[in-house]
Amino acid sequence: AQKITQTQPGMFVQEKEAVTLDCTYDTSDPSYGLFWYKQPSSGEMIFLIYQGSYDQQNATEGRYSLNFQKARKSANLVISASQLGDSAMYFCAMREYSYQAGNKLTFGGGTRVLVKP
Amino acid sequence: ETGVTQTPRHLVMGMTNKKSLKCEQHLGHNAMYWYKQSAKKPLELMFVYSLEERVENNSVPSRFSPECPNSSHLFLHLHTLQPEDSALYLCASSQVDTNEKLFFGSGTQLSVL
Repeated sequence: AQKITQTQPGMFVQEKEAVTLDCTYDTSDPSYGLFWYKQPSSGEMIFLIYQGSYDQQNATEGRYSLNFQKARKSANLVISASQLGDSAMYFCAMREYSYQAGNKLTFGGGTRVLVKP
Repeated sequence: ETGVTQTPRHLVMGMTNKKSLKCEQHLGHNAMYWYKQSAKKPLELMFVYSLEERVENNSVPSRFSPECPNSSHLFLHLHTLQPEDSALYLCASSQVDTNEKLFFGSGTQLSVL
């Protein structure tokens, strides 16, 4: 069974508007972490935001915020005031942690965002 | 200087060639990873090295051979690849025993002819 699901393969968003990218996950581990990465056409995966399973408040990083609904096992990314440079692929990932192997991230299939001027 | 550097950026090889991908991290991390990103598929974890020891090998074919000579360098040796091995190969690093994020390089776009 897929651990990370991103149901939106692609989205258009108008510049300066907000966009929400969906992510649901599946784990029986009470301790886990959720990440969002951005991948522009250059290929590099750029870290955006992190939410720990025990964090009481939703994470925020500048224009990025994570809508964490633990009971629903969802961790949606909200990008406010979209900019043209936000056009990229966005990946949700879940951390499984072990001392030996460090942070193992399992990725979703990604959502392609295209910001329109 | 970027945190994780991968070379080459692009590689085209025949099925009988032998080539190597190189990754170097300047972040003082002690774990390094190889991921494969194929078109229309999620990123797949291939190998994990922690404290210079391989701790994960996700059923990767033997035509892919990783090497981690020290905590800053990671190689992926390629031989007799197949066209379906064409993909973006991403290297990442992290610090073991913390919850820190993975830092990724820009990847090597590999095409096997």
